[in-house]
Amino acid sequence: EAGVAQSPRYKIIEKRQSVAFWCNPISGHATLYWYQQILGQGPKLLIQFQNNGVVDDSQLPKDRFSAERLKGVDSTLKIQPAKLEDSAVYLCASQGFIETQYFGPGTRLLVL
Amino acid sequence: SQQGEEDPQALSIQEGENATMNCSYKTSINNLQWYRQNSGRGLVHLILIRSNEREKHSGRLRVTLDTSKKSSSLLITASRAADTASYFCATASQGAQKLVFGQGTRLTINP
Repeated sequence: EAGVAQSPRYKIIEKRQSVAFWCNPISGHATLYWYQQILGQGPKLLIQFQNNGVVDDSQLPKDRFSAERLKGVDSTLKIQPAKLEDSAVYLCASQGFIETQYFGPGTRLLVL
Repeated sequence: SQQGEEDPQALSIQEGENATMNCSYKTSINNLQWYRQNSGRGLVHLILIRSNEREKHSGRLRVTLDTSKKSSSLLITASRAADTASYFCATASQGAQKLVFGQGTRLTINP
């Protein structure tokens, strides 16, 4: 089966610009997660979707970050405006009926 | 906030030796999972141990869980150069699907 796809793989932007990341989960997986991983740290959950509904967005900085999963499949994560401290790898993961999460390769963001 | 704390933060051993990494957590859990991350890549699931289990094996991996001490260990036996990666423990609380990851252990296997 195909894995979790993410694009772009790399993105360099200036601070105050906006950026969007895309994720296509494994087919049939109802749960989708976005994580932020700062260099040298473990992933931190930003938002969890169950189909197209938000389950947990308690750690999403809502003044600048937004995410959607309109048809319960693909998802986009947006940052507007970006800050220097947003430089990180943004990981998407999906989950089916078992507890294992399957991760995409991530998008490495550098904010200058 | 990160629940798991891994120890050591970095570990360097010779190929063929065993590697042990530890994870401590703070709240009650439903299960604990270990993931591997190669440089510049996504995370790969290694093994899951439930709160009512004490030990689990998968190939060269052995995981233990002590819920009374809120700790877990991951043992990799007969290490190989390809085991070089960062290893993360992640906990799932009762009634929640989401995982809370630790800071990770960077493992280097020297040929």
